[in-house]
Amino acid sequence: QSVLTQPPSASGTPGQRVTISCSGSSSNIGSNTVNWYQQLPGTAPKLLIYSNNQRPSGVPDRFSGSKSGTSASLAISGLQSEDEADYYCAAWDDSLNGHWVFGGGTKLTVL
Amino acid sequence: EVQLVESGGNLVQPGRSLRLSCAASGFTFDDYAMHWVRQAPGKGLEWVSGISWNSGNIGYADSVKGRFTISRDNAKNSLYLQMNSLRAEDMALYYCAKANRGSTWYPFDSWGQGTLVTVSS
Repeated sequence: QSVLTQPPSASGTPGQRVTISCSGSSSNIGSNTVNWYQQLPGTAPKLLIYSNNQRPSGVPDRFSGSKSGTSASLAISGLQSEDEADYYCAAWDDSLNGHWVFGGGTKLTVL
Repeated sequence: EVQLVESGGNLVQPGRSLRLSCAASGFTFDDYAMHWVRQAPGKGLEWVSGISWNSGNIGYADSVKGRFTISRDNAKNSLYLQMNSLRAEDMALYYCAKANRGSTWYPFDSWGQGTLVTVSS
């Protein structure tokens, strides 16, 4: 059972906007920034969003992130077939001398 | 270009040891914290351990504390994970990941392709 809670699946049709939620607590999302990773099938994870809403260079602006209180969201607009992947949220947790926690992952299907 | 190449994964019996290595290139290794993150077959990501740029700050997941030891050799641009008393639940693909700053609480911005650890008798 993951410390951060994500829906196990999400879906959308090409061109649609989808959102993926990530829920935590005061010791992780409530007091630290949230990062999102995309894992395409058979590949290593890739940083998609850091510091709640910042995109690394090369990440399309179709991807956006937000945070409020102890929850965060990843939004993907103009959904494309190549967006079909697993998405993970992650945050630093201040408890127990500090450690990283992940969400369980959301498998996004493009219908 | 950042490159992280893991090695050392293998089939090992429960209770035995294994040492993973990660060779880094394409960036100033001793400026950044480094981490190990694992992924069991068909499962999600789990942070294993992290080490700051100067090895002054080290952390472990509760699941591996006391059994695994992370270390780095900045002169060799290398990260290591010594894994002792391996259990079936340690079986996973182990990724080496680079943080985007020198401290362990900064996010991972680059990942290797992983090395597979199989624990079975």
